[in-house]
Amino acid sequence: KQEVTQIPAALSVPEGENLVLNCSFTDSAIYNLQWFRQDPGKGLTSLLLIQSSQREQTSGRLNASLDKSSGRSTLYIAASQPGDSATYLCALWGNQFYFGTGTSLTVIP
Amino acid sequence: EAGVVQSPRYKIIEKKQPVAFWCNPISGHNTLYWYLQNLGQGPELLIRYENEEAVDDSQLPKDRFSAERLKGVDSTLKIQPAELGDSAVYLCASSLDDRAGELFFGEGSRLTVL
Repeated sequence: KQEVTQIPAALSVPEGENLVLNCSFTDSAIYNLQWFRQDPGKGLTSLLLIQSSQREQTSGRLNASLDKSSGRSTLYIAASQPGDSATYLCALWGNQFYFGTGTSLTVIP
Repeated sequence: EAGVVQSPRYKIIEKKQPVAFWCNPISGHNTLYWYLQNLGQGPELLIRYENEEAVDDSQLPKDRFSAERLKGVDSTLKIQPAELGDSAVYLCASSLDDRAGELFFGEGSRLTVL
């Protein structure tokens, strides 16, 4: 069974800092990887989708990379803002979606 | 374009009562998922539909949970009878297809069982 780990579980940074969130997985046989953000009491909002044949995707201040051989994906957030405060989850599609438990990010003004 | 719509957003019931959740996926999305999310955890799959067919219901507790997706569009998830441990957020998601499709979630239905 695919195991997905996100470290750290929580992160607090001052506004303006660049930061990296990590997602590790045990089985490299995946079709795609998706990053989400979840605000308290809300559903998951899709941020970036990386297809199996791709190595990275960018959207605004967000950049996600995928290295299947090492079982890792990173989400890079540039120039963090208080509005980025949320929980960030990664999900992998193998024969179903496997989710990490998320990293809770707090950006301090 | 409308996103995934779920109702109700919140539901409080006594244990042993029945409850139902409704989901309307994004138009044209063939694949529909129901997930359960406990506080501080990632979503856990309950059931996945391809059109009308439930292709993965291995995680669905069939003694008390049931789901249907009539006409391959809207879906309903039912719990009868509810137990205290069922208190959680029930998330519906949809994607264009079952492999490479991007997953989109609704706002979720928060269930509290007293």
